[in-house]
Amino acid sequence: AQTVTQSQPEMSVQEAETVTLSCTYDTSESDYYLFWYKQPPSRQMILVIRQEAYKQQNATENRFSVNFQKAAKSFSLKISDSQLGDAAMYFCAYRSANAGGTSYGKLTFGQGTILTVHP
Amino acid sequence: GAVVSQHPSWVICKSGTSVKIECRSLDFQATTMFWYRQFPKQSLMLMATSNEGSKATYEQGVEKDKFLINHASLTLSTLTVTSAHPEDSSFYICSARENRDSSGTQYFGPGTRLLVL
Repeated sequence: AQTVTQSQPEMSVQEAETVTLSCTYDTSESDYYLFWYKQPPSRQMILVIRQEAYKQQNATENRFSVNFQKAAKSFSLKISDSQLGDAAMYFCAYRSANAGGTSYGKLTFGQGTILTVHP
Repeated sequence: GAVVSQHPSWVICKSGTSVKIECRSLDFQATTMFWYRQFPKQSLMLMATSNEGSKATYEQGVEKDKFLINHASLTLSTLTVTSAHPEDSSFYICSARENRDSSGTQYFGPGTRLLVL
């Protein structure tokens, strides 16, 4: 079974600064997808960014970018020019691309990292 | 695009009653939807996978007779908490996977806060 680990329960950053959230995962599969979701105080889960494992290029979405290290099974999220609205709980998630597997389609979530943004 | 709605957003009920929560994909078709439960400051716990036109697949430890799931159309799945008890109080979130999206990205509803008195 796959596992996802977020080793930072809480992080903080000054407004306009950059912060990196860590995520590691364990899998024996070669094809999969990785996601970062954000859950602000409203508790609405919002997709931040996703990465296909077969793509070497790191995904970027405006101020959000990832550092995907497939061999190291690491998938960190970098938030540049942090804004107050970035304050939220961030979840890293894994999804198998193996259609024959029992966990196909399911997301495996990490424990989450609470990000505080200081003005 | 990829909007998922959930209704109601808040529900308070008496112990022993049943509560139905609806999850709708508003602008896409979703053969597969998922139901999660979340406790404060914790991660999401998958309860079941809902498949249109067939029986839901429940995760280990989730009582299928207590949490009834119906996925009757490509845009609607419902979760009914039967004979609710205070320990069922929680935040329930649904998600939907767009049929045409090969990445299987899940889009989430805004959640339902259930309080059982």
